[in-house]
Amino acid sequence: DTAVSQTPKYLVTQMGNDKSIKCEQNLGHDTMYWYKQDSKKFLKIMFSYNNKELIINETVPNRFSPKSPDKAHLNLHINSLELGDSAVYFCASSQGLGDEQYFGPGTRLTVT
Amino acid sequence: SQKIEQNSEALNIQEGKTATLTCNYTNYSPAYLQWYRQDPGRGPVFLLLIRENEKEKRKERLKVTFDTTLKQSLFHITASQPADSATYLCALLNSGNTPLVFGKGTRLSVIA
Repeated sequence: DTAVSQTPKYLVTQMGNDKSIKCEQNLGHDTMYWYKQDSKKFLKIMFSYNNKELIINETVPNRFSPKSPDKAHLNLHINSLELGDSAVYFCASSQGLGDEQYFGPGTRLTVT
Repeated sequence: SQKIEQNSEALNIQEGKTATLTCNYTNYSPAYLQWYRQDPGRGPVFLLLIRENEKEKRKERLKVTFDTTLKQSLFHITASQPADSATYLCALLNSGNTPLVFGKGTRLSVIA
């Protein structure tokens, strides 16, 4: 009974393609997040949703579009993938903004 | 500019000793600090949270201190074990409706 799950775990694709990563949490949390962890292991917030509403949108290219169909799901769609998008993407959830966060296992995206 | 720095990128200690990790911040007024553990290939796992009005928090062999004058948090692991080897991330929540900001982490290696 995984708390925060992401699919796929690995994603290898070519430049210019469009891909999606899915995230689900079964903790009943109101807030969900997407983070990017680059090769230097720096974990940076991308988006945050609270009850399906976007509340944080950091400086992220428009090619990245999050979607929250319900408060248990937060998906990330990426258009026109670039080499620099290669990273590990983590989904996380918490009861409220700033509360302890529960992270998914990560999706390693490799753009060739 | 705002910065959150974990002084050591890597720290090696002998088993049984106390590991002390440092987190310093500049130009933030954090409501609280959180510490996470991250193992290779996995998402961060929440360990401890300390609020601005708390000096110290303990959980089993872990202790966190928070000094708002020095703008610093220290994270201690007593009686360290090889299983404690991981990357430890500090994260702070600034005042207001802002996201958690993570440091780059310190990779701890406990040598038997």
